[in-house]
Amino acid sequence: DQQVKQNSPSLSVQEGRISILNCDYTNSMFDYFLWYKKYPAEGPTFLISISSIKDKNEDGRFTVFLNKSAKHLSLHIVPSQPGDSAVYFCAAIPLSGSARQLTFGSGTQLTVLP
Amino acid sequence: DTEVTQTPKHLVMGMTNKKSLKCEQHMGHRAMYWYKQKAKKPPELMFVYSYEKLSINESVPSRFSPECPNSSLLNLHLHALQPEDSALYLCASSLHPGGGYGELFFGEGSRLTVL
Repeated sequence: DQQVKQNSPSLSVQEGRISILNCDYTNSMFDYFLWYKKYPAEGPTFLISISSIKDKNEDGRFTVFLNKSAKHLSLHIVPSQPGDSAVYFCAAIPLSGSARQLTFGSGTQLTVLP
Repeated sequence: DTEVTQTPKHLVMGMTNKKSLKCEQHMGHRAMYWYKQKAKKPPELMFVYSYEKLSINESVPSRFSPECPNSSLLNLHLHALQPEDSALYLCASSLHPGGGYGELFFGEGSRLTVL
């Protein structure tokens, strides 16, 4: 049973527009959420995170929104750039958890078209 | 230095071979991890070392043998692997083994092909 779900395996967006990547979770004990970006033949790179005490965290072009009641988070990229084309993994950690307990979603392939 | 370095980047081996994957970090991180990732799947945790001691073994077959010679190095020894073990093997590190917030730093991975 997948506790972290990314239901869209792929997403295509025009350069300059907004990319919205979605993630749902089922475990109500998750209280810290992360997004990782992965290029082909490279390891995942930490992108942005959010604690459950917040509903929004922003870092440059990247914003993560958390809706705890809906157990849903999303990553917004504005404006999207061709270099953003990569696989994006959502990940979650439970309360008082450690990095060992990181649970990954299955990933969404984002393609930004020039 | 904010890198996790993995060697080799690519490895092809037969089922009777013995080989090793190597991982190195100089960020002073005290936890190091091995993950396995198949195509279009999320990374799966294999092993965790905390302060150079093996703390987690996620029921990994004994043909995979981890080793942590010191706080900066992590090896994965491979012996008698099967073709289904072909995958991208990712090393990661984090500042704290426990109570941290999961900001793992990943290496680029070692692409393993077992013939």
